[in-house]
Amino acid sequence: RKEVEQDPGPFNVPEGATVAFNCTYSNSASQSFFWYRQDCRKEPKLLMSVYSSGNEDGRFTAQLNRASQYISLLIRDSKLSDSATYLCVVNMRAGNNRKLIWGLGTSLAVNP
Amino acid sequence: DTGVSQDPRHKITKRGQNVTFRCDPISEHNRLYWYRQTLGQGPEFLTYFQNEAQLEKSRLLSDRFSAERPKGSFSTLEIQRTEQGDSAMYLCASSTEDRPLYGYTFGSGTRLTVV
Repeated sequence: RKEVEQDPGPFNVPEGATVAFNCTYSNSASQSFFWYRQDCRKEPKLLMSVYSSGNEDGRFTAQLNRASQYISLLIRDSKLSDSATYLCVVNMRAGNNRKLIWGLGTSLAVNP
Repeated sequence: DTGVSQDPRHKITKRGQNVTFRCDPISEHNRLYWYRQTLGQGPEFLTYFQNEAQLEKSRLLSDRFSAERPKGSFSTLEIQRTEQGDSAMYLCASSTEDRPLYGYTFGSGTRLTVV
């Protein structure tokens, strides 16, 4: 089983739709969680950190369920500019070090 | 510019040649990471430094790969005797040790093509 798993998609949605992505992680020692956005041939950019209490930033809502070991990202009122790959990232402690474990990403295409 | 800088942006090299990439992290960040990303995949961890100390290396990092961060500031990643399988985007990221909840900041990457 992969350490971080995402549905690769692609998700094709019309403008204005609500879309949700899920991500599961295997290591219960995981400590912090992120969603990154990556545009084609660009570097990943931090979209949101994910807190246990859930957090919202405008049209984006992230949730964490530690018991079930998954995180989610909800995008409301999708815009054309939301088209990108969304990467789920888990920060684990391994000994005295921390390391980021990346999912393969979920591709989103928002259509006019 | 206070972001992470990588140089060059693109590199085309012949198989068997050596290449070196440079990363300048955000100045107050003491941690520096190298990742490799191929099309359709998430970034794969290669190695990371805390200040000048290289604390972890991935099994992906064969003997042909070496990374340095001699003064705890910029870092270089060298690939010797390049192979076509080395073609990828090489990403550098930096962070501060005491801000794990804030994620990492990535540079724009160096895209390597081995022909």
